[in-house]
Amino acid sequence: GAVVSQHPSRVICKSGTSVKIECRSLDFQATTMFWYRQFPKQSLMLMATSNEGSKATYEQGVEKDKFLINHASLTLSTLTVTSAHPEDSSFYICSARGRAGAQETQYFGPGTRLLVL
Amino acid sequence: DQQVKQNSPSLSVQEGRISILNCDYTNSMFDYFLWYKKYPAEGPTFLISISSIKDKNEDGRFTVFLNKSAKHLSLHIVPSQPGDSAVYFCAAGAPGTYKYIFGTGTRLKVLA
Repeated sequence: GAVVSQHPSRVICKSGTSVKIECRSLDFQATTMFWYRQFPKQSLMLMATSNEGSKATYEQGVEKDKFLINHASLTLSTLTVTSAHPEDSSFYICSARGRAGAQETQYFGPGTRLLVL
Repeated sequence: DQQVKQNSPSLSVQEGRISILNCDYTNSMFDYFLWYKKYPAEGPTFLISISSIKDKNEDGRFTVFLNKSAKHLSLHIVPSQPGDSAVYFCAAGAPGTYKYIFGTGTRLKVLA
């Protein structure tokens, strides 16, 4: 089946530093990847849509200069949280659009828990 | 404005019985619906989907029902098993887009 990995799974950083999160589709090519954020007991909120070779499309209210997205290849997208602050602490999840058999859907990574001190 | 709503934050069901998870949506443009299962500190796992041309889709113990007039869908799990205990999210998408809007989730607990 379609597998998506994320690295790191957990990161703790100091306020003001930048953190990079990688999302890889392991056994399929993903022209489109998505980045979500989930706060405790809340829904997954779409942050941006990442298309290979082009600029990401950000959802309303998401600062593109703070959350830098690079989709350099068909299997890798990165999210960089720049100058992180405690309010950026959250669970960040990526997904990749792919096909497993006859079913095309989004396949999610395991998530990255970010804690900013 | 929550376009996809799961009004029950939690549900407890006895093992072997049926679990029914509900989801309501407000945007009549949505034409594709999905259910995901999520364990703590993990990403969601795709369970089952349904397009708006159908009113029912079945996969093993999981069945999704769609009532377009009521803008309501439900996920039935029967028989429920302890391993089904997780948070279940419904999601909806509109034509021509692969962006999904997620509900807030329902935590299912299946009691042995």
